[in-house]
Order: sequence, then structure tokens, then C-alpha cells
Amino acid sequence: EDQVTQSPEALRLQEGESSSLNCSYTVSGLRGLFWYRQDPGKGPEFLFTLYSAGEEKEKERLKATLTKKESFLHITAPKPEDSATYLCAVRNSGYALNFGKGTSLLVTP
Amino acid sequence: DAGVIQSPRHEVTEMGQEVTLRCKPISGHNSLFWYRQTMMRGLELLIYFNNNVPIDDSGMPEDRFSAKMPNASFSTLKIQPSEPRDSAVYFCASSGERFNYGYTFGSGTRLTVV
Repeated sequence: EDQVTQSPEALRLQEGESSSLNCSYTVSGLRGLFWYRQDPGKGPEFLFTLYSAGEEKEKERLKATLTKKESFLHITAPKPEDSATYLCAVRNSGYALNFGKGTSLLVTP
Repeated sequence: DAGVIQSPRHEVTEMGQEVTLRCKPISGHNSLFWYRQTMMRGLELLIYFNNNVPIDDSGMPEDRFSAKMPNASFSTLKIQPSEPRDSAVYFCASSGERFNYGYTFGSGTRLTVV
């Protein structure tokens, strides 16, 4: 059975203080690891898809990386507007995405 | 495109009542998903449809839950009778054949059963 574990559950950073969020996974036949951002009262918003170990994707202050067992979402010099819950999900041979419980990020000025 | 549209945004109902949640997927998307989100369990897949056909409903918690997709532009999730433990945010999402961008989620329906 697919398992996705995210850590930490919550993270508080000062503006400009870089850090990383972790997503550990077990899945038979990975067909994509997905990162989403979720703001309060809204649905998750797609950020990245990674398919193979060694792959990296970047978007503004965010960079996602993938190994065979985990993915990291690196946040460089975060700003208060980066505050949100970040969700990781894996897809196996089917259509469904299996989500972790997320990391709640708060960036203070 | 208006994105995935869900209604209502909020629903408060009494235990035992029937609740119907509605979803309009993005035009051209052929897969539709219903998820439930709670603090304790996170996002849980309830059911997904491909080309209007239910493919996997193993996440539907009980017979009280049912979902339909009568056409490519509309789906419903029904709970009858509702119970307080059904209180959660219910999300609908859709995706196209090119799955590179994952799903597009709606804004969700916050259901409170009192």
C-alpha cells in the first residue's frame, strides 16, 4: 500500500530564512510525485511533478527534488506570502493521487 | 476557463438529512475525483471517474455515500443519511489525459452536520 509521510507537520520561519520540507514515500511503480500548495479555505494548487530520481524543478523561491525514497521542497529566502500548507502526493499505476497530511508553513516578517 | 466549480461552498445540515454536493469539472477533462479533507486524516480519495464511469470507489466510507456522473460536465456526491462524523471539506478535482499537471481542484464544500 502506498504511504506518504511529510515532515515537519508545522514550520515557522523568519522572512529570508531558507529551509526544506520533506516527503518520504513508499509506492509500487512510481508514476509521479506531486507537490501542491493549499491556502486556507481553498483547494490545493499544483506546483510541481517529478518522475525520476535526480530530477529537479524550480519555481520562484521553490525547488523540488526527488530521490528513490523521498522528495524535498526547498524554500529559499521565503516571504510571508509563501505561508501555506504544502502537500505531497504520489501516483502509482492508477489515476489516483495518494496525499500526505502536509506541512503547514508560516513565514513571519 | 472557470476551473472546477463546486457548490455549495458551505452546507450546514442536521443529522439524518440528505446532503448533495455538486461539481462541474473543467471542460475537456475526462477524469473526475472526489476527496474528503479532515485535520485528522488529511486528503482521502473517495471515488474517481474516468470518462463518466466509476473506476474505483473503494474509498467511499459506507453505503450512505453515493456518487454519480451522468455526463462529462456534472457530478454529484450524496450522503444519506448524514452523520456528524461526515463533517469535513469535500473537494472535487479533474484532470485531462496529460497527467503531468496532476489534478485541478475546486474550492471545496465545507460540510457541517449537527
